[in-house]
Amino acid sequence: DTAVSQTPKYLVTQMGNDKSIKCEQNLGHDTMYWYKQDSKKFLKIMFSYNNKELIINETVPNRFSPKSPDKAHLNLHINSLELGDSAVYFCASSQDRKTEQYFGPGTRLTVT
Amino acid sequence: GDSVTQMEGPVTLSEEAFLTINCTYTATGYPSLFWYVQYPGEGLQLLLKATKADDKGSNKGFEATYRKETTSFHLEKGSVQVSDSAVYFCAPLVGGATNKLIFGTGTLLAVQP
Repeated sequence: DTAVSQTPKYLVTQMGNDKSIKCEQNLGHDTMYWYKQDSKKFLKIMFSYNNKELIINETVPNRFSPKSPDKAHLNLHINSLELGDSAVYFCASSQDRKTEQYFGPGTRLTVT
Repeated sequence: GDSVTQMEGPVTLSEEAFLTINCTYTATGYPSLFWYVQYPGEGLQLLLKATKADDKGSNKGFEATYRKETTSFHLEKGSVQVSDSAVYFCAPLVGGATNKLIFGTGTLLAVQP
């Protein structure tokens, strides 16, 4: 009965590879997000989707591509992984754009 | 631009001590304000919120009051426990049509028995 879930929890891969992280929410929310947390715990938004429509696209390399097949899912695909992509990636959701956000457990990505 | 400044950590307290973590923000208008907590190895959990001036958010003994005059949202708890050890994030929701949370640097709280 997890509200916001992410898979995988850990991802270790080599530079140059392509990987995906999946997120699902069962809260019936309209809006979903991806955040990146660096090694100093600094959190920054990357993308936001509202009803499957992209509404926030921060200054993120175009190697990162979010995809929302439906309101309950928001996946993140990363091409040509670089060392600097190593971080914890959090998915979140909210009822709408003005309400509190609920976060998933995070995916720790390590690029070697 | 929009920003949030949080008290630098780490903050180390003894059990049952009083806690204050300061948070001030710069934003257009009157954003909703949130405190999130991150326990080791976990995601962020919403701790409390306030949506308008003078609102007080509270949860699990923690409180914070929305102070419009000083653009602040300081987190307090009267008596901390070891189980409160975590990283605390202050986050205003800014931006109009493209609302987004902007996070402070986080404050690590370590409570010793």
